[in-house]
Amino acid sequence: KAGVTQTPRYLIKTRGQQVTLSCSPISGHRSVSWYQQTPGQGLQFLFEYFSETQRNKGNFPGRFSGRQFSNSRSEMNVSTLELGDSALYLCASSFRASGTEAFFGQGTRLTVV
Amino acid sequence: DQQVKQNSPSLSVQEGRISILNCDYTNSMFDYFLWYKKYPAEGPTFLISISSIKDKNEDGRFTVFLNKSAKHLSLHIVPSQPGDSAVYFCAASQGPNAGGTSYGKLTFGQGTILTVHP
Repeated sequence: KAGVTQTPRYLIKTRGQQVTLSCSPISGHRSVSWYQQTPGQGLQFLFEYFSETQRNKGNFPGRFSGRQFSNSRSEMNVSTLELGDSALYLCASSFRASGTEAFFGQGTRLTVV
Repeated sequence: DQQVKQNSPSLSVQEGRISILNCDYTNSMFDYFLWYKKYPAEGPTFLISISSIKDKNEDGRFTVFLNKSAKHLSLHIVPSQPGDSAVYFCAASQGPNAGGTSYGKLTFGQGTILTVHP
């Protein structure tokens, strides 16, 4: 069974640009969550999607958004990038509806210059 | 407000001995707990979980203990192997039956760097 796939693995963007990250969950998993990992803040929850609906959102500005498609694949978008958005962005998929075993992808390392 | 805390930033253990990683939480709504292992520049790998209705769960070399009254959990690795060297995160959620603001949300500790020496 294939794991969670995130693309791209690495990305360098300029301040002010926007970026879209992609996540393909484990087959059969309908819940997709996104996390940001930084050295200072650790792993922080961004949002969760289930059946194309955002059901939960963490404490991030509106520049961070996402969506989920009918095949459960998900994208997250960050607009007007800031230097502080440099982080490892992780996607996790779960079979059950909420907050239990989540399986993570390898992440996308975003660097904003 | 850190609701999940791992107070030991690092732990060093000899191969073959026991590794004990600790985690404390403050939110009494948490009732499902997980441990993840992470290598640099990779995503966390799920290790083991425990529901609040249990006080112990074992999977091979890994055992998680939960003390609800103390709001404390620990991960025991026996015997420790050099390949176990990584960052270990504990995480908590309100469990599969909670809704609303719990959906999909795991709250993580800051991690403990485990080094197992040969």
